[in-house]
Amino acid sequence: QSVLTQPPSASGTPGQRVTISCPGSSSNIGRNTVNWYQQFPGTAPKLLIYTNNERPSGVPDRFSGSKSGTSASLAINGLQSEDEADYYCAAWDDSLNGHVFGTGTKVTVL
Amino acid sequence: QVQLVQSGAEVKKPGASVKVSCKASGYTFISYDINWVRQATGQGLEWMGWINPNSGNTGYAQNFQGRVTMTKSSSIDTVYMELSSLRSEDSAMYYCTRGRPASFDHWGQGTLVTVSS
Repeated sequence: QSVLTQPPSASGTPGQRVTISCPGSSSNIGRNTVNWYQQFPGTAPKLLIYTNNERPSGVPDRFSGSKSGTSASLAINGLQSEDEADYYCAAWDDSLNGHVFGTGTKVTVL
Repeated sequence: QVQLVQSGAEVKKPGASVKVSCKASGYTFISYDINWVRQATGQGLEWMGWINPNSGNTGYAQNFQGRVTMTKSSSIDTVYMELSSLRSEDSAMYYCTRGRPASFDHWGQGTLVTVSS
C-alpha cells in the first residue's frame, strides 16, 4: 500500500482550476523532491512535473506543482477536456530506501 | 529520440519466473539508471527497483526483495527484470523507465505479464 494518499477523484468544468493534494511524511516529501505523472488509459505514464515545480519541455504551463513541508500539490489551471487522466505524485522515501507513488487521482472534466 | 522498447506479453503459470527486457536507444545507455514500475489492471503504480547500467548496481523495493533480479547487457543497451515465484497477484503491466535520477522521464511501452494456471 502506498504511503502517499491522494484523493481518488477530482473534477471541474472547462476553464476551472483543479488541485490535487499529495500528503506525505518527513521521510519522503519532507526530505526529497516531488514528481508528478500523467497517465491516460492504456498508455504508459508521462512525466508532468519534476523537482517539485519544474515542467519538462512540451508540458503546458497550465500545469504547476508546489511543495510545502511534507505535502505537495498539483494544480491544473484552465482545465481542458484533454486533461482527463490519472495523476500520480511520487518521491523517494528515505525510510523505505525506494521510490513511492501516490495512490493516484482520476481527473474528470465535466 | 530517447526510446525504451520492451519485450512482448508473457503468460506464466504460478511458481514460474518471467524475464522482461528493455532496450534503450537515443542516448548514452550507461549514463542513466533504469527503473522498473508495475501496474495491476485498474490499480496504481508500484516501484520495483533500479539498475545502474554502468556499474550493474541494483536496488530493490522491500516488497520484491528475494524475488526480483535486474541485470544488464551493455553490449546491446538492454536491461532485464526477472521476477520469480510468480503468483496471480503479479499479473500486471510492467514498465521500464529512465531515471533522471529522481524522476522518470522516459517510459517503455509496457509488458503485460499474466499469471494463470
